[in-house]
Amino acid sequence: DTAVSQTPKYLVTQMGNDKSIKCEQNLGHDTMYWYKQDSKKFLKIMFSYNNKELIINETVPNRFSPKSPDKAHLNLHINSLELGDSAVYFCASSRKTGGGTEAFFGQGTRLTVV
Amino acid sequence: DAKTTQPPSMDCAEGRAANLPCNHSTISGNEYVYWYRQIHSQGPQYIIHGLKNNETNEMASLIITEDRKSSTLILPHATLRDTAVYYCIVRVFGAGSYQLTFGKGTKLSVIP
Repeated sequence: DTAVSQTPKYLVTQMGNDKSIKCEQNLGHDTMYWYKQDSKKFLKIMFSYNNKELIINETVPNRFSPKSPDKAHLNLHINSLELGDSAVYFCASSRKTGGGTEAFFGQGTRLTVV
Repeated sequence: DAKTTQPPSMDCAEGRAANLPCNHSTISGNEYVYWYRQIHSQGPQYIIHGLKNNETNEMASLIITEDRKSSTLILPHATLRDTAVYYCIVRVFGAGSYQLTFGKGTKLSVIP
């Protein structure tokens, strides 16, 4: 079983569209994250979220919003897509408390905005 | 989180040990050193972490200097599948958020 899974793996869409990327983890973790990796390969945190707290990187446009239907899922909604949103988006999860602070990452969603 | 400095790239012969250095001269007493790697087109993968003592697991060894200002990740017998970008990250253990701040990392190329 894949620990952190994202769908779709590839997403091509036109400017101005609204799209969602889904993420699910089966590790029982209580904190999930979204990271963005741009064309220069820099990995940057966008959000971290558990059922009590959402931490947003201040550089993330408000067109991006995380939505968590339950503890095992954190979906990423993007409104009014722009060319600059083209990147690879990674979902991750970890435990918030206790030992074992390693984060587990999904395989990424390559978003191309045309 | 303290900043880290890594060489941009390194080569290693297949079967030999790969030693990846990391400088973190501004590390605080409660900050741990973490290593992740990213194999091409995949999500980052946790490797190992440590505070003061050297650590070893099935993937690698982590050697931290006594003053904690630098560390070395050792892959004892590098294989072609170890070709990846390796990230050294310093952060506080047990902080409220486990957000990771990735730098540019070291691109390790394992050569046949």
